[in-house]
Amino acid sequence: QKEVEQDPGPLSVPEGAIVSLNCTYSNSAFQYFMWYRQYSRKGPELLMYTYSSGNKEDGRFTAQVDKSSKYISLFIRDSQPSDSATYLCAMSEGGSQGNLIFGKGTKLSVKP
Amino acid sequence: ETGVTQSPTHLIKTRGQQVTLRCSSQSGHNTVSWYQQALGQGPQFIFQYYREEENGRGNFPPRFSGLQFPNYSSELNVNALELDDSALYLCASSTDRYNSPLHFGNGTRLTVT
Repeated sequence: QKEVEQDPGPLSVPEGAIVSLNCTYSNSAFQYFMWYRQYSRKGPELLMYTYSSGNKEDGRFTAQVDKSSKYISLFIRDSQPSDSATYLCAMSEGGSQGNLIFGKGTKLSVKP
Repeated sequence: ETGVTQSPTHLIKTRGQQVTLRCSSQSGHNTVSWYQQALGQGPQFIFQYYREEENGRGNFPPRFSGLQFPNYSSELNVNALELDDSALYLCASSTDRYNSPLHFGNGTRLTVT
């Protein structure tokens, strides 16, 4: 079993839809949880950064962390074609932010 | 714009050769990390440098080495290249080792033939 599992998709939705992206993990020591967006031929861009359990909202994006279930989610409201990208979840135990464990990424396509 | 720039953007090398990849991060970002991203995979941690010293290493062999310089630039060196080293190499920086998130550059695409 990999430390971080993420459905690679692809996921295709119509413009305006609510998108739900998820990751599960096995290491209960993970404390920091991140979502990155990666456009083709670009590096990952940080979207959301949370510590421990709970919700965090930023514009159309909401990140949820459920440590009891070892499950994290990213919701995108009113999705736009410009949201079409690969979304990567990442997490770390803390103490060394450089050692992030990433999921494989979910490729999202938002159709106009 | 993250302020992390990498060069070159693309590189083709032959198996057995050596390669040096470069990264320049923002002033004040004293932590730099390198990641390898194979096609269709998430990035994998290679190592991290903090104030010019290695501060953590992933599951990569010693032929992967690095340097960090006082001017916030860094290098990734790979010796004895293998076909499986073909990947996108990402540099990321942050202001500290612990709580600040990583910001990535756009990477160097290395192809080994």
